[in-house]
Amino acid sequence: TQLLEQSPQFLSIQEGENLTVYCNSSSVFSSLQWYRQEPGEGPVLLVTVVTGGEVKKLKRLTFQFGDARKDSSLHITAAQPGDTGLYLCAGLYGKLTFGQGTILTVHP
Amino acid sequence: EAGVAQSPRYKIIEKRQSVAFWCNPISGHATLYWYQQILGQGPKLLIQFQNNGVVDDSQLPKDRFSAERLKGVDSTLKIQPAKLEDSAVYLCASSLQGVLEAFFGQGTRLTVV
Repeated sequence: TQLLEQSPQFLSIQEGENLTVYCNSSSVFSSLQWYRQEPGEGPVLLVTVVTGGEVKKLKRLTFQFGDARKDSSLHITAAQPGDTGLYLCAGLYGKLTFGQGTILTVHP
Repeated sequence: EAGVAQSPRYKIIEKRQSVAFWCNPISGHATLYWYQQILGQGPKLLIQFQNNGVVDDSQLPKDRFSAERLKGVDSTLKIQPAKLEDSAVYLCASSLQGVLEAFFGQGTRLTVV
């Protein structure tokens, strides 16, 4: 069973701070996705990374895929209360396998 | 474009009772997934369909869980009999065949008492 480990599990910060969430595995991903989930809703796809070393930016969010395609990070610049939610990484090994998630709370 | 529809949104049952969840995927999406999400954890894949055939059900507790996707469109997930540890949100998702992006429904929150 391929495992995806996310860290930290919980993150509580003030508005305007920067943060990084990590996703690691001992297995090589064919691709990796980041999702955001709000309470009472299903996860919503933010980005898919496919190539080792790839960096993608989505407004204040920067996603990086490790060179060996075993790890990924999500960096948020100048966090806002609207960024609050559960951030999930998911690796594709034929089926989509999720990490346990990082619960982010951004305080005004 | 309509999203993935799930019903009911909430369900409370006693242990040993049975329950069924329904999912209507996005029109044209050949791939359908059922995930179980326990509070504080990421979603765990229970079963994946490609049209009306099962692609992966390796993590489906087959002694109590069953799922079907007749005609390759709507799907139902059933639990019989339910246990306390089945309390979770059950998410349905769909995607176009061969496409990575999965679209999720709002989920059904099941509480077993």
